[in-house]
Amino acid sequence: AQSVTQLGSHVSVSEGALVLLRCNYSSSVPPYLFWYVQYPNQGLQLLLKYTTGATLVKGINGFEAEFKKSETSFHLTKPSAHMSDAAEYFCAVSDLRGNEKLTFGTGTRLTIIP
Amino acid sequence: DTAVSQTPKYLVTQMGNDKSIKCEQNLGHDTMYWYKQDSKKFLKIMFSYNNKELIINETVPNRFSPKSPDKAHLNLHINSLELGDSAVYFCASSPRLAGGPTEQFFGPGTRLTVL
Repeated sequence: AQSVTQLGSHVSVSEGALVLLRCNYSSSVPPYLFWYVQYPNQGLQLLLKYTTGATLVKGINGFEAEFKKSETSFHLTKPSAHMSDAAEYFCAVSDLRGNEKLTFGTGTRLTIIP
Repeated sequence: DTAVSQTPKYLVTQMGNDKSIKCEQNLGHDTMYWYKQDSKKFLKIMFSYNNKELIINETVPNRFSPKSPDKAHLNLHINSLELGDSAVYFCASSPRLAGGPTEQFFGPGTRLTVL
């Protein structure tokens, strides 16, 4: 069975500071990994995904994440936080068995301090 | 606009009632999903349909019955509503491509409140 752990349900950073949101996964097969963002009262939007190939993945809005198999991690980073980054962030894992099932982490609420 | 749409956006009802939530996607995707997001923001898949065929059913009470009249629509009917059904329900869709899971596109959500 797959699972995702997001360390820190709430993260606060100052505007302009580094954003680091942590995600660790558990999967018995090579995983596909995703980060989604949810703005208040909206649905989820894909930030980036890792499938195969290059382990450093760049996404929208200046975010990137690195797949580290040895650490079973897929942490999300952004060099300089912007006020508009305030949202809920979800890490998710899927597998290659083709049933398209996404297992989500519990989410991390990112607050940006002016 | 091309998107995943859900109706209604808000649904307030009494315990014991039966209600439906509708979902439509005009992205041409083959696969559609229903997710439940609880008050702690935890998001869990309920059902998945591929081209009108049920492919994922995640131990959901049989009071919940999805219906897919065609591959662009996936509706969720809930019988005998309970307080614990209060949540935000998201519909999503994705294309079915060779090579594994792809991006899922989410609707705006339906906030269900059971009184």
